[in-house]
Amino acid sequence: QKEVEQDPGPLSVPEGAIVSLNCTYSNSAFQYFMWYRQYSRKGPELLMYTYSSGNKEDGRFTAQVDKSSKYISLFIRDSQPSDSATYLCAMSLTGGGNKLTFGTGTQLKVEL
Amino acid sequence: ETGVTQTPRHLVMGMTNKKSLKCEQHLGHNAMYWYKQSAKKPLELMFVYNFKEQTENNSVPSRFSPECPNSSHLFLHLHTLQPEDSALYLCASSQEDRAGNTIYFGEGSWLTVV
Repeated sequence: QKEVEQDPGPLSVPEGAIVSLNCTYSNSAFQYFMWYRQYSRKGPELLMYTYSSGNKEDGRFTAQVDKSSKYISLFIRDSQPSDSATYLCAMSLTGGGNKLTFGTGTQLKVEL
Repeated sequence: ETGVTQTPRHLVMGMTNKKSLKCEQHLGHNAMYWYKQSAKKPLELMFVYNFKEQTENNSVPSRFSPECPNSSHLFLHLHTLQPEDSALYLCASSQEDRAGNTIYFGEGSWLTVV
């Protein structure tokens, strides 16, 4: 079993849709959870960062962590073509950069 | 100027060539990393440097040789690579003495081995 599971997609949605991206994980000790966005032929950029369970909102983006289910989600409201990218989830025990475990990424395409 | 700068952005090399990837971070961080990103696979951590000291080498073949002359610069020296080494190589940095921190990536160097 992979430590972090993420559906690779591609996921195609119409502009304005609500997008839900998800990751499941096996290590219950993970405490820090991140979402990175990676545009084609670019490096990943940090989008959301959460600690432990709960929700965090930033503009059109909401990150949700359910530690009891070992499940994290990223919601994108009013999706735009500019949101078309690959979204990587990542998590760690200590919050440092040293021991991040990444998912494979979900490719999202928002169509006009 | 971006926080983490990588050069070159694209590199094509033969299996007998020797080349180097360069990374510079402008964020004042004390840790730097090399990751490999291949299609349909999770990011693979290759090397970690904390305060210029290598603290992790994830069973990377010796044809990849890192160098960290100071906390702002990181190199990846490449020699006698194989076609399966073709990938996106990402440099990243972080501040490791701050709780709850995470890493910031450069734009990556696309490597093609022919």
